[in-house]
Amino acid sequence: AQKVTQAQTEISVVEKEDVTLDCVYETRDTTYYLFWYKQPPSGELVFLIRRNSFDEQNEISGRYSWNFQKSTSSFNFTITASQVVDSAVYFCALRSTGKLIFGQGTELSVKP
Amino acid sequence: DTAVSQTPKYLVTQMGNDKSIKCEQNLGHDTMYWYKQDSKKFLKIMFSYNNKELIINETVPNRFSPKSPDKAHLNLHINSLELGDSAVYFCASSQDSSRGSIQYFGAGTRLSVL
Repeated sequence: AQKVTQAQTEISVVEKEDVTLDCVYETRDTTYYLFWYKQPPSGELVFLIRRNSFDEQNEISGRYSWNFQKSTSSFNFTITASQVVDSAVYFCALRSTGKLIFGQGTELSVKP
Repeated sequence: DTAVSQTPKYLVTQMGNDKSIKCEQNLGHDTMYWYKQDSKKFLKIMFSYNNKELIINETVPNRFSPKSPDKAHLNLHINSLELGDSAVYFCASSQDSSRGSIQYFGAGTRLSVL
């Protein structure tokens, strides 16, 4: 069975703080893909990153970075020097068979 | 140019009515999806079509019927609307149905059943 757990329901930080959003997944498949999506207050879902199970390289894109660790089945997302515009719900998702399975989402609030 | 567009953005209707939500993608993708996001923000897939053929059909009431007239369009028709159908419905598309194919989402349709 596939499962994605985002244990942090809500996080509140002050602008310029660094923040890490946790994602733990479960799958018995050896080949799978992990994704992060952002849902800002306007409601749309925006794709951020995709990582396959054979590529454990961490990735950095501007203030965003992702840490993929197969040993702990985690795919964590860090925002460095957070900004108010980062306020959103962030979803981690897993696809190892037919369906894309989403975590419950973490609502990030960045205060000025 | 909006890649995945849904209409309408908001839909308010009475219980028992029938309504449709339309989705179109201009990305040239082969696969399209419908998702439901409930009041707790939980996202769950409902249906998926690949080249107009149904490939994923989750445990969804028969009142929900997807229709794909061509691979660029996937509409969702809902009969006899119930209060519990109130949610945000998202359409998405991907290049193909492979597990690594990135899904791009529309802006969502907020359905309120009164």
